[in-house]
Amino acid sequence: SQTIHQWPATLVQPVGSPLSLECTVEGTSNPNLYWYRQAAGRGLQLLFYSVGIGQISSEVPQNLSASRPQDRQFILSSKKLLLSDSGFYLCAWSVAHSLQETQYFGPGTRLLVL
Amino acid sequence: EDQVTQSPEALRLQEGESSSLNCSYTVSGLRGLFWYRQDPGKGPEFLFTLYSAGEEKEKERLKATLTKKESFLHITAPKPEDSATYLCALREAGNMLTFGGGTRLMVKP
Repeated sequence: SQTIHQWPATLVQPVGSPLSLECTVEGTSNPNLYWYRQAAGRGLQLLFYSVGIGQISSEVPQNLSASRPQDRQFILSSKKLLLSDSGFYLCAWSVAHSLQETQYFGPGTRLLVL
Repeated sequence: EDQVTQSPEALRLQEGESSSLNCSYTVSGLRGLFWYRQDPGKGPEFLFTLYSAGEEKEKERLKATLTKKESFLHITAPKPEDSATYLCALREAGNMLTFGGGTRLMVKP
């Protein structure tokens, strides 16, 4: 069965510091991968998605970037964090080229920027 | 632009008191409407996908239905463990999902 991991689970960072969140998927090959952010009490906002290694699409201009160095690894980064980057970050995967694609989410990373 | 609106924002029920959550949408060509359950501090858990008006799906005390303008998540005789935030999302084209703001359900014993 497929499993998706995210780490760290919780992170507290000062403003201006760098960020690296990691997401890995097990049990599937060539998945579509997604990064979402969820503000407190609100819905999910898509940040980035990837259909393959090195292929990243950005949905929202921001202080963040994403990379996919390996087939099942997706990384969310920032060079300098802003207070507004605080939130709950979720990684998701789906089966590529499927007519009935469902996105499955990881456990999330809670980021607090102080 | 796709729009997904969920109502109510919050719903308090007594155990056993059945109710429905609403997800209304505007989209030119629906390619799937998804329901997720999210517990506090956790990632959303997939519940259902609906593709065409008239379609229904059930899982335990939950039943999801779909019309051309909205979807309902019916909860029959809820239990406290059904307390969570329920999210709906739609896919119009490609792989992208547009999420609603969610309904926070609280079921009291």
